[in-house]
Amino acid sequence: SQQGEEDPQALSIQEGENATMNCSYKTSINNLQWYRQNSGRGLVHLILIRSNEREKHSGRLRVTLDTSKKSSSLLITASRAADTASYFCATDNIIQGAQKLVFGQGTRLTINP
Amino acid sequence: DGGITQSPKYLFRKEGQNVTLSCEQNLNHDAMYWYRQDPGQGLRLIYYSQIVNDFQKGDIAEGYSVSREKKESFPLTVTSAQKNPTAFYLCASQQGVIANQPQHFGDGTRLSIL
Repeated sequence: SQQGEEDPQALSIQEGENATMNCSYKTSINNLQWYRQNSGRGLVHLILIRSNEREKHSGRLRVTLDTSKKSSSLLITASRAADTASYFCATDNIIQGAQKLVFGQGTRLTINP
Repeated sequence: DGGITQSPKYLFRKEGQNVTLSCEQNLNHDAMYWYRQDPGQGLRLIYYSQIVNDFQKGDIAEGYSVSREKKESFPLTVTSAQKNPTAFYLCASQQGVIANQPQHFGDGTRLSIL
């Protein structure tokens, strides 16, 4: 059951530019999370935004949430080569009476030096 | 250092063989999860456990089995019934059972067919 869909699937930009990734979802949520995955590694949690929040910041990361449009965006400012990774959004979803995370398919971000 | 350890990093399975992937956490987390990731794809939930001696099927449980005899450990067995087991397997843990906490991931096990 795929809940979130990221857009674009792949993004390639120059170092120093800003990168924006979008996530759309289908059903109502309590919170939305963003994760980063470096090649061949596990996921690392970046930010959690609750349904009553509209924007959240963490260092060079800015996440917005629009519950009326069922969408979220992740902005990485002043990108660095080390930001090259796949980025996933995950929404909480009630499945079989339990609340679990459902992940999108990810955006593959490449930062060119 | 607290974290999640998955082993082995690479695993090869022969035809008709069962293999077991290890996942250990020292974060004292209640909930643990197994995900499967295919190339260029997101994560799909195989099994999860919210408490010792209890576990539930996820979206793609067929051909897999798990146990949760200890809080720290949640091994996954890929059985011979799983006809397409080649994938990257990720284990995660979470404090509490409500999905308003971040999940912590191990570095995965890559399973291939010989």
